[in-house]
Amino acid sequence: QSVLTQPPSASGTPGQKVTISCSGSSSNIGTNSVNWYQQVPGTAPKLLIFNNNQRPSEVPYRCSGSKSGTSASLAISGLQSEDEAHYYCAAWDDSLNAWVFGGGTKLTVL
Amino acid sequence: VQLVGSGGGLAQPGRSLRLSCAASGFDFEDFAMHWVRQVPGKGLEWVSGISWNSGTIAYADSVKGRFTISRDNAKYSFYLQMNSLRPEDTALYYCVKGYTLGVPGPPDYWGQGTLVTVSS
Repeated sequence: QSVLTQPPSASGTPGQKVTISCSGSSSNIGTNSVNWYQQVPGTAPKLLIFNNNQRPSEVPYRCSGSKSGTSASLAISGLQSEDEAHYYCAAWDDSLNAWVFGGGTKLTVL
Repeated sequence: VQLVGSGGGLAQPGRSLRLSCAASGFDFEDFAMHWVRQVPGKGLEWVSGISWNSGTIAYADSVKGRFTISRDNAKYSFYLQMNSLRPEDTALYYCVKGYTLGVPGPPDYWGQGTLVTVSS
């Protein structure tokens, strides 16, 4: 059972916008920034969003993050086949003194 | 940025393994480093992190008291000593660069991972 809760799956058609949620608590998302990772099957994870809504330079503008209270979300607009991957949220937990991850969401592009 | 992990393999329950990660392409001494593991086909689990100067170290509860993280800035390397291994420690272990000096800064760049299998 993961500390952060994500839906196990999401899907959309090319060009659509998809949103993935991540729910936590006051000791993690409620207090600290949320980060999102993309993992294409067979490869190492890649940082997609950090500090709730900041994108590394190589990440396309189509990806955006937001946070409100103890929940966060990742939005991918203009969905493309290359977006098909697993997505994980993560945050530092002040009570556990540890990084915690969501269980991951498998995004399928139909 | 390049992170190359090594030291994985097959170990019997109760035995030990030491993972190493060699870093290059960035100022290693300026960043925290992390180990994150993943059971094949499953999700990500953070294992341990160490700050830039080894002043702050943290562990997941699942490995506390059994695993020890360390680093050698002169060698651009960091390590994970894994003792009293259990079958549930079987996973692909990623070495990961931190975004900042401290452990609470997000893990950002991931190496390719080294596989640890614990089985009799």
